[in-house]
Amino acid sequence: DAKTTQPPSMDCAEGRAANLPCNHSTISGNEYVYWYRQIHSQGPQYIIHGLKNNETNEMASLIITEDRKSSTLILPHATLRDTAVYYCIVRVAGSNSKLTFGKGITLSVRP
Amino acid sequence: GAVVSQHPSRVICKSGTSVKIECRSLDFQATTMFWYRQFPKQSLMLMATSNEGSKATYEQGVEKDKFLINHASLTLSTLTVTSAHPEDSSFYICSATPHVGGLSYEQYFGPGTRLTVT
Repeated sequence: DAKTTQPPSMDCAEGRAANLPCNHSTISGNEYVYWYRQIHSQGPQYIIHGLKNNETNEMASLIITEDRKSSTLILPHATLRDTAVYYCIVRVAGSNSKLTFGKGITLSVRP
Repeated sequence: GAVVSQHPSRVICKSGTSVKIECRSLDFQATTMFWYRQFPKQSLMLMATSNEGSKATYEQGVEKDKFLINHASLTLSTLTVTSAHPEDSSFYICSATPHVGGLSYEQYFGPGTRLTVT
């Protein structure tokens, strides 16, 4: 079973920041937090991951709380193309390590 | 970088026939490849994990004789759905993990293959 909890859906206005929350209260010390998104009828797209420090890349920022029990994915300037299902996943490192997808959060960006 | 392709993108086959789906890592060598299945309005479900040159590891409830996986090289894995039936109609997605050093081993996904069995 997925070890994360996400709200089922949220929306935001185009151009505004989208803050997507995720709870992972049972995360282990060797588990990373990963975020993927899936646009309708496409394969998932890797967004970002982190262990305990905040991370930023060209797509998003990941803020992990100090106790690591929750995190927030931030899309700084949401566009209509960011409308997708976003999955927060915790996973240990390793090439054979599985990704277990939960239901994710559906982000709808409105014009 | 880190592009994964799948072929075909869509396939329609008749019940009882077999269908082969290819997954290729285009610009990296994949330590491990994964196969997922996604039914409408549901999340991705992992079917199996494969490493080059060894037998795939199947998830509980996935029939290994029905879903044949061959991982013959570090850039190619194939999934063959044997004796397909309408209930096998689904969106099949592969992913690949490049070994680029470090510990995180992110997975990169292909665009998916839509299988319809009539």
